[in-house]
Amino acid sequence: SSDLTQPPSLSVSPGQTATITCSGDKLGDEYACWYQQKPGQSPVLVIYQDNRRPSGIPERFSGSNSGNTATLTISGTQAMDEADYYCQTWDSNTRVFGGGTKLTVL
Amino acid sequence: QVQLVESGGGVVQPGRSLRLSCAASGFTSSSYAMHWVRQAPGKGLEWVAVIWYDGSNKLYADSVKGRFNISRDNSKNTLYLQMNSLRAEDTAVYYCAGDGSGTNSHYYGMDVWGQGTTVTVFS
Repeated sequence: SSDLTQPPSLSVSPGQTATITCSGDKLGDEYACWYQQKPGQSPVLVIYQDNRRPSGIPERFSGSNSGNTATLTISGTQAMDEADYYCQTWDSNTRVFGGGTKLTVL
Repeated sequence: QVQLVESGGGVVQPGRSLRLSCAASGFTSSSYAMHWVRQAPGKGLEWVAVIWYDGSNKLYADSVKGRFNISRDNSKNTLYLQMNSLRAEDTAVYYCAGDGSGTNSHYYGMDVWGQGTTVTVFS
């Protein structure tokens, strides 16, 4: 199935760990990516190939993917991490996005 | 610097056509697979289409298949999206994005993004 489910929202306190999940049938059989989108801005790739960080992405961003769930973890969450986060995988060769999770840091 | 600049958005009536462009600079876009991704007002991201680095392969989301056509002119470093038979549900910000695999490889994310151009389908 190409349906990816994310929690609509998540709130964390500064310095805490944010864990954002993305669920889909046999999601772990494919690679997952994660994108960050701040209000009024274009998306930014923060994780690809399940757990790899592009150049310039802080080490506090990490990812995993197994079974039916991919996870984005932000350790020591900062105020600047407040954003919408989208998971993305493949259905055959077409890309599909999850519905997005709004992360609030307060 | 690495840059993608979209243009061509606007207000159009249902059933009409529109062509979007995306000009690349600051990187070798001719070696990138290029995508269109859209975002309806207040909604999430929706992948629309991809074209291989050499134009040899194209893939589309079911929601636009048969109506939209993606193309590129590597001599002009420009990506296009021809949108026909537009519907109200096509109203969105349209982003172009690139992945460095050139072939939509599952090993690559979309790591270059434009600022988006807005398409409004309105009668």
